[in-house]
Amino acid sequence: QKEVEQNSGPLSVPEGAIASLNCTYSDRGSQSFFWYRQYSGKSPELIMFIYSNGDKEDGRFTAQLNKASQYVSLLIRDSQPSDSATYLCAVNPRGAGTALIFGKGTTLSVSS
Amino acid sequence: DTAVSQTPKYLVTQMGNDKSIKCEQNLGHDTMYWYKQDSKKFLKIMFSYNNKELIINETVPNRFSPKSPDKAHLNLHINSLELGDSAVYFCASSQKIGSNEQFFGPGTRLTVL
Repeated sequence: QKEVEQNSGPLSVPEGAIASLNCTYSDRGSQSFFWYRQYSGKSPELIMFIYSNGDKEDGRFTAQLNKASQYVSLLIRDSQPSDSATYLCAVNPRGAGTALIFGKGTTLSVSS
Repeated sequence: DTAVSQTPKYLVTQMGNDKSIKCEQNLGHDTMYWYKQDSKKFLKIMFSYNNKELIINETVPNRFSPKSPDKAHLNLHINSLELGDSAVYFCASSQKIGSNEQFFGPGTRLTVL
């Protein structure tokens, strides 16, 4: 069974710190990887996606992918209280024709 | 303009009833999805339709029946509701199946009493 694992947290960081969120996946053939942010009572929204090994940066967010270790992470620099949310890692196991498999999410709390 | 909309936002009903949730997207996307998010926030795919055709049907009781009258709409009908069906149901769409970004609707919180 294809699985995506995340530490549920909560992960607590002070304002201005770097928050590091981790995710592992079981299907070695997985091709694309996504990070969604979900505020309480709201729907998930995409913040990053990554396909290739290495780092991908977008503003304060950096996604890191290591396919050999089946590991993907999200770094949030200069964390703000508004970043407090649940972060969902999602994996597309085999590309076209498949839907995303989500992890259970990590709750991030940024204190001011 | 709302990209993916769902109605109703809240649905409270008794066990054994039949109910429907409607979803519409105005993004011109080919693919639509239904996800279930349980009380532990686990988001799991239920169905996927591509251009009105069923593509993915995960292990979901046959009390759940999706219907896609056109590619902009994907409705979910649930027969004989059970307590365990209580969850938030999200509709989503993407440009094509397997494409980068899925846009989620606001969710429908279903409570079965």
